[in-house]
Formats: sequence, structure tokens, C-alpha cells
Amino acid sequence: NAGVTQTPKFQVLKTGQSMTLQCAQDMNHNSMYWYRQDPGMGLRLIYYSASEGTTDKGEVPNGYNVSRLNKREFSLRLESAAPSQTSVYFCASTSGGGSPQHFGDGTRLSIL
Amino acid sequence: AQSVTQLDSHVSVSEGTPVLLRCNYSSSYSPSLFWYVQHPNKGLQLLLKYTSAATLVKGINGFEAEFKKSETSFHLTKPSAHMSDAAEYFCVVSPFSGSARQLTFGSGTQLTVLP
Repeated sequence: NAGVTQTPKFQVLKTGQSMTLQCAQDMNHNSMYWYRQDPGMGLRLIYYSASEGTTDKGEVPNGYNVSRLNKREFSLRLESAAPSQTSVYFCASTSGGGSPQHFGDGTRLSIL
Repeated sequence: AQSVTQLDSHVSVSEGTPVLLRCNYSSSYSPSLFWYVQHPNKGLQLLLKYTSAATLVKGINGFEAEFKKSETSFHLTKPSAHMSDAAEYFCVVSPFSGSARQLTFGSGTQLTVLP
């Protein structure tokens, strides 16, 4: 089973460029999440989608937008990339209730 | 509000010796608690979860954790470390019993296993 698939795995951008990170899950999960991981800070929630058609801000939403395209797909967009957005981005999904979140392998993004 | 504190940023053990990774939490509700492991250049994999059933939780690869409400702790242990256990470990809390929504992550503990 593929689980949660993120594309691309690596990306280098210049300051001011735009970029969309893609995430798809094949587990029929209702809820999907975008996190960023920075050294010594664990994971911080950027945006989440509790169900198809809804999105909500997390802890660090500034500079990002999201789209829940359908039940399977949840994309993250950087409209004008900044060096402070250099990070590893993880997508996760869960069916809800007591089920744990399942994570993709991450997108490593560097902004010069 | 909820928070998670992992008391050690780095832990080093010898192969075959016990592992103890410490985690304290605070939550206004009856929380769900999780431990995840992250190997280099990989996503997070669930080790175990506590969702208000038994306080001693057994997970994959021989890991277990004990929920102690009086101490607000959820420490991760393993009797005998293997080289393959070397990774970063995250303690995670959700404020809702039986839920994985609105997770708060600890800052992580890097486990090194020496031969």
C-alpha cells in the first residue's frame, strides 16, 4: 500500500518564487494535515482539513495556502517563497477517532 | 492548552542495554498520547498510542510506554537496544481522548546506539 505520497521529495527555490507541494493518500481518510519540521522544534501544524471541503489554520499558517482538492488530495502552496520557509514539510492523514495520523516521507525544501 | 516536554534532546546507549526516553505532558483534558519514530530522511512512524485504556501500552519493535497521570508522564522504554533503534523519537499529545486531531509534538529525542 502506498499510504501517504508526497511530491516532490526535494526542491530548491529562489526567494519570491512560488511552489505547490502535493500530497495524496489512498486510505480513504477524512482528515489531512500539513506540518513543517525544523531542527529542535518538532513538527508544527501549518494547515489542516478535517474533511473534504473544509480547511483551517494551524499554528504557523502565514505565507501558506492550501487546497483540499478532493478526499484524496491536499496541496500546500507557497505564493512567494522566503528563506524562513526552508524546512522539511510533512503531510499526514487520519480517519479520525482514535486512529493515529499516517505520515508521508516529506518534501525537503530549500529557499535561497 | 497542551504541551509536551521531552526531557532529553540526545540519549546514547550501548547495544543490548535498556532504553529510556522521557516525556512529560500537560493537557486540560483527558489526552491521547503517542510515540512516533523517525529514521533519517523518512516520515514519522507510529510506535504506540495511549487512548485511556490500559496505562501500560505495548508498541512495535519491543517498545512500551506507561501513562502516569499523577506524574503527567509518558516515558518510552525498551529492555534491550538494537542498532536499528537509532533514530529520532517524538512524544505527541492530543487533547481529545481517543482522538488524533490537533496534535502537539515534543521537540524530539535523538537516540544513538553504540556497538
